[in-house]
Amino acid sequence: NAGVTQTPKFRILKIGQSMTLQCAQDMNHNYMYWYRQDPGMGLKLIYYSVGAGITDKGEVPNGYNVSRSTTEDFPLRLELAAPSQTSVYFCASSYFSEGREQYFGPGTRLTVT
Amino acid sequence: KQEVTQIPAALSVPEGENLVLNCSFTDSAIYNLQWFRQDPGKGLTSLLLIQSSQREQTSGRLNASLDKSSGRSTLYIAASQPGDSATYLCAVVNTGGFKTIFGAGTRLFVKA
Repeated sequence: NAGVTQTPKFRILKIGQSMTLQCAQDMNHNYMYWYRQDPGMGLKLIYYSVGAGITDKGEVPNGYNVSRSTTEDFPLRLELAAPSQTSVYFCASSYFSEGREQYFGPGTRLTVT
Repeated sequence: KQEVTQIPAALSVPEGENLVLNCSFTDSAIYNLQWFRQDPGKGLTSLLLIQSSQREQTSGRLNASLDKSSGRSTLYIAASQPGDSATYLCAVVNTGGFKTIFGAGTRLFVKA
């Protein structure tokens, strides 16, 4: 199993550009999550999904959109990138039961200039 | 609103020492609490998960406890090694929801 994979690893965007961060998992997990981590801080939940076709906002959803058309994939879209979105983005997934232990991808480091 | 605090923010200990990392949360209605390790520039690795009905979990030299009534969890690391140097994060998931709240982490440095 590859676990949770994320692409790209690094990206530099100009202000106002858009991009999609890709996330995929091969563990047949129902739940998937997107987080951002700013320097020296813990992670903040952006969006989560409990299954294909079902998504909901987390703590910091403004400026982002998500979709979940399959169990495996959970892309995060940034529209009109702003410097405040410079961060490291992590995707995670978990089963719906068994304590919902979360497994994380390696992250995408995004800089908006 | 759930808030998670980790103390201390940073810790430096000599190799071989036993140590305790602390995590406190403001709302005791939690579904689970999870401890993670994060190495610089890397993703998070799950260490231990404690469900709300459990008091503690153990894995090797690690032991995590949970006291919901006082809003506290501790991560005990026995016989610390330089390879334990990393940032340790705790996270709680509230009952009835999926929203995970993270602490800011404790940065641990174990000196050889």
